[in-house]
Amino acid sequence: GAVVSQHPSWVICKSGTSVKIECRSLDFQATTMFWYRQFPKQSLMLMATSNEGSKATYEQGVEKDKFLINHASLTLSTLTVTSAHPEDSSFYICSADTEGDLYEQYFGPGTRLTVT
Amino acid sequence: RKEVEQDPGPFNVPEGATVAFNCTYSNSASQSFFWYRQDCRKEPKLLMSVYSSGNEDGRFTAQLNRASQYISLLIRDSKLSDSATYLCVVNKGGGNKLTFGTGTQLKVEL
Repeated sequence: GAVVSQHPSWVICKSGTSVKIECRSLDFQATTMFWYRQFPKQSLMLMATSNEGSKATYEQGVEKDKFLINHASLTLSTLTVTSAHPEDSSFYICSADTEGDLYEQYFGPGTRLTVT
Repeated sequence: RKEVEQDPGPFNVPEGATVAFNCTYSNSASQSFFWYRQDCRKEPKLLMSVYSSGNEDGRFTAQLNRASQYISLLIRDSKLSDSATYLCVVNKGGGNKLTFGTGTQLKVEL
């Protein structure tokens, strides 16, 4: 149980375009979903927290107008990287937690974004 | 000071060895602690939660020292398949946000 999927697994896009990444909880309803970014040889950095039906809460330094998060249902959250630039190239990972688990989060397989 | 600090390694150990990783955290209000494992270019996977009384899962033992704000992970009888990066993870001040350490890289060799 507690499977989280992400789509796409990897994407290459041109500078200035927008990319949407989907995160789905497949066998459970996620109370909260989280979006992280990980640069090579660095730690996962939390970008934002989203709850179904409400606006996402962004971490300090993360531009909410650049990284648009939509959490339309208890099983789906999307992250759109708008007007992508090469410095946005990174590994984007989503996770979800469920009520009853003491802050355990279940991670999606990640999306590797390369902006050329 | 980083919220969660780990020695990045790498730790190169022979198969069958016992190896220990340490981690310190800065927020004394943290309540939940975890060790995650991350393989190269993959997502983190939960290895084990860490409880105040210490807990063991097979070859893996985790310890928590709240007074020193210190967490450890012990791996006995290392296998080649244990080669990975081990992430120390702490919840942010009692809420549901997690803070990740940069990870400790383990390489188990023949």
